[in-house]
Amino acid sequence: AQRVTQPEKLLSVFKGAPVELKCNYSYSGSPELFWYVQYSRQRLQLLLRHISRESIKGFTADLNKGETSFHLKKPFAQEEDSAMYYCALGFQKLVFGTGTRLLVSP
Amino acid sequence: DTGVSQDPRHKITKRGQNVTFRCDPISEHNRLYWYRQTLGQGPEFLTYFQNEAQLEKSRLLSDRFSAERPKGSFSTLEIQRTEQGDSAMYLCASSSRQGKFYEQYFGPGTRLTVT
Repeated sequence: AQRVTQPEKLLSVFKGAPVELKCNYSYSGSPELFWYVQYSRQRLQLLLRHISRESIKGFTADLNKGETSFHLKKPFAQEEDSAMYYCALGFQKLVFGTGTRLLVSP
Repeated sequence: DTGVSQDPRHKITKRGQNVTFRCDPISEHNRLYWYRQTLGQGPEFLTYFQNEAQLEKSRLLSDRFSAERPKGSFSTLEIQRTEQGDSAMYLCASSSRQGKFYEQYFGPGTRLTVT
């Protein structure tokens, strides 16, 4: 069965601190993995996907098949990064984790 | 085109009543998805369409739920005989193929409260 686990409900950091949002998955095959973000009062939107190997808003995520992880990282958090982050797995339908709320304090 | 739209944004209904939600996708998108999100959870897949064909339905979609996309454009999700457990945010998304990838664009959601 496909499953996505985000172990932290809340991650609170100070501005300028490094951030790592954890995501582990279970999938028998080559997964398609994504990070979605939802800012306050906005709709869910795609942040990045593993296959593009790009950096968006300073965030990166590396797929580690050995550890079945796809952690989201940013070296220096900004206050505007405060949002709900969801890790998702899938090709057609998406399987989402429960989300991690990132709170960046000044 | 301002993106995926959903109507209504909020719906309060009494247990046992029927409700219908509408989703208008981005105009050139041929795929349309429905998800449900309850408090503290991520979105859960319900069903999706390619054009007017319903290609997959989740086990979450009980017999009381039905979705249609009659002309391959907008879609409706109907819940019959609502129960308190149906209270949730119902999200719609649409996508079109970009290479091997379908990026899903989400609507603002319809929040259903069953009293």
